Amino acid sequence: QKEVEQDPGPLSVPEGAIVSLNCTYSNSAFQYFMWYRQYSRKGPELLMYTYSSGNKEDGRFTAQVDKSSKYISLFIRDSQPSDSATYLCAMQGTGGFKTIFGAGTRLFVKA
Amino acid sequence: ETGVTQSPTHLIKTRGQQVTLRCSSQSGHNTVSWYQQALGQGPQFIFQYYREEENGRGNFPPRFSGLQFPNYSSELNVNALELDDSALYLCASSAGTKNTGELFFGEGSRLTVL
Repeated sequence: QKEVEQDPGPLSVPEGAIVSLNCTYSNSAFQYFMWYRQYSRKGPELLMYTYSSGNKEDGRFTAQVDKSSKYISLFIRDSQPSDSATYLCAMQGTGGFKTIFGAGTRLFVKA
Repeated sequence: ETGVTQSPTHLIKTRGQQVTLRCSSQSGHNTVSWYQQALGQGPQFIFQYYREEENGRGNFPPRFSGLQFPNYSSELNVNALELDDSALYLCASSAGTKNTGELFFGEGSRLTVL
């Protein structure tokens, strides 16, 4: 079993839709939870960063962490064609030096 | 502020050869981590360098080695290349070794092994 599970998709939605992306994990030591966006042929860029459980909102993006269920989500409101990319969830434990990534979900937003 | 830069962007090697990939960290960042991203997969941690020393290593064999220089730039060396080494190699810099949450990635070096 992988430490982090993420559905690779692809996920195709119409412009303006609400998108829900999710990851599950098995390591209860994870305390830091991130979402990265990766455009084709580019390096990942950080979208959201949360510590422990709870919600965090930034513009059209909302990240949720439920440590009791070992489940994290990223919601994208009013999705745009420019949101078409691969979304990677990522996690770190306390004192850890490495970040564990999910496999990434490919998202296509159709105009 | 200068971002993370990697070179070369693309390269093709044959099995058994050796390769060196280079990375310049973002200004002010003293820590460099290297990741391997196979097609359709998430990045896999190779190792991290801090103050010119290896600070941690993932599940990669010893033929993957690295260096960090006093200016915090870094190299990734892979010896005895295998077909499965074909991947995007990503360098990420950060302002510390732990729990910054934020890694700043370069655009990667795409290695093809024939």
